[in-house]
Amino acid sequence: QSELTQPPSVSGAPGQRVSISCTGSSSTIGAGYDVHWYQQFPGTAPKLLIYRNTLRPSGVPDRFSASKSGTSASLAITGLQAEDEADYYCQSFDASLRARYVFGTGTKVTVL
Amino acid sequence: QVQLVESGGGMVQPGRSLRLSCTASGFAFSTYGMHWVRQAPGKGLEWVAFVWSDESNKFYADSVKGRFTISRDNSENTLSLQMNSLRAEDTAVYYCARWVDGYNYFDHWGQGTLVTVSS
Repeated sequence: QSELTQPPSVSGAPGQRVSISCTGSSSTIGAGYDVHWYQQFPGTAPKLLIYRNTLRPSGVPDRFSASKSGTSASLAITGLQAEDEADYYCQSFDASLRARYVFGTGTKVTVL
Repeated sequence: QVQLVESGGGMVQPGRSLRLSCTASGFAFSTYGMHWVRQAPGKGLEWVAFVWSDESNKFYADSVKGRFTISRDNSENTLSLQMNSLRAEDTAVYYCARWVDGYNYFDHWGQGTLVTVSS
């Protein structure tokens, strides 16, 4: 049972901007823990996309950006491209004893 | 470059055991915490287990506690997951992932190994 909620799907035309929300709680994002984002193509392993709320690893295009505020975070893709069609997951830390390392429910991005 | 290669997956009957391995290369394995993360078919990512770099602490998801054991051999650069009393709901692709301590994220992942629990 995920502690981070994402919309199941978002879509946009090439060139448009799409945004994915990640809603946590007072024991996860609201407790001040960083949010990280992963991109996953079908049949492949997740890949780190954004770390420490806003930072992009080397090689990740700058059309990917992210932010965090309160108990939520969001990932934005500006100038959407066909190759961005994938699943996206947020991840954080849970200070409660029930779950320590939590992923979001995942969002499928479709390029129309 | 960092490489993580999982092995040991396969089909197993409910109640039986299976041992997964993850062979690491390209980095100082003994200085990193390591995790297992799984993904059931068509589902999202689920954290399974975590072991500190020196194996002094281990943590498990409630869903596998008491059945799975994570371990590592720093002399062989390998991470393992012993899975006992397997259930149908343990069917998933299992990934090993390197942990960035202090900032709490996974910076490298293996390609995954599929475990299917079915009679």
